[in-house]
Amino acid sequence: GALVYQYPRRTICKSGTSMRMECQAVGFQATSVAWYRQSPQKTFELIALSTVNSAIKYEQNFTQEKFPISHPNLSFSSMTVLNAYLEDRGLYLCGARDQGGHTEVFFGKGTRLTVV
Amino acid sequence: AQKVTQTQTSISVMEKTTVTMDCVYETQDSSYFLFWYKQTASGEIVFLIRQDSYKKENATVGHYSLNFQKPKSSIGLIITATQIEDSAVYFCAMREVDTGYQNFYFGKGTSLTVIP
Repeated sequence: GALVYQYPRRTICKSGTSMRMECQAVGFQATSVAWYRQSPQKTFELIALSTVNSAIKYEQNFTQEKFPISHPNLSFSSMTVLNAYLEDRGLYLCGARDQGGHTEVFFGKGTRLTVV
Repeated sequence: AQKVTQTQTSISVMEKTTVTMDCVYETQDSSYFLFWYKQTASGEIVFLIRQDSYKKENATVGHYSLNFQKPKSSIGLIITATQIEDSAVYFCAMREVDTGYQNFYFGKGTSLTVIP
C-alpha cells in the first residue's frame, strides 16, 4: 500500500532557531508533495506544492526564504522552518500523490512543532 | 476566498444512527476530484472516499457514501450505522485538475462525536 512517513513526529525548538522535517513516500512515486500546516484550530494552510522537475509553488504568506523545500526524488521531500517563532507552531503535514495512479493524496502523521 | 467550505463545526450523534456532513466547494475547473478525509485523535489523516466530478453516480465505500450535487457544488458525506470509532474530525477536500499545479484544498473540518 501507499504510505507516507514523516519525521520527527514531534520537535521543540527555541525561538529564532531552525528545524528540518522530512517526508518519505513508500509504495508509490511521490511526484507531487504538498506541505501543510494545521493550526490548533484545525485549519489547514497549504504552504507549498512541489512537483518533481518543476518549480516549487508557494502559497501567499509563505516564502521559500522562510520554508525552503527540497524534493530531490520520487520518494523524499524535506522542509525547513527557518528562524521559527511562536506563530510557526502547529502540525506540519506532508501530503504526497503520484501523477499516474492515485488521485488522492496520502498523508504522513505529521511533525508537531513547538516553539519555546 | 475559501474554496472548500464546511459549515458544520461539530456534530454529535447517537451510535448506530446515520449522520450527514455538508461540504460546498468552488472551482472554475471543468474537471476536479472531491475527497473526504478523517483525522483521528492521534492526528493521523485517513483517506475515506472520493468522487470524480465527471461521474454522476454517488461514490460508496463501506459505510461511507457521498451525496454529490454538482449543480449546487455540494459533496456531502453520509455515514450510516455510526460507531464510536467514527468519532473524529472530518475534512472535505478538492483537487483541481485543469490548473497546472493541481492544487489540493481542504475545508476547515467537522468534528463528529458518536455517543454510545
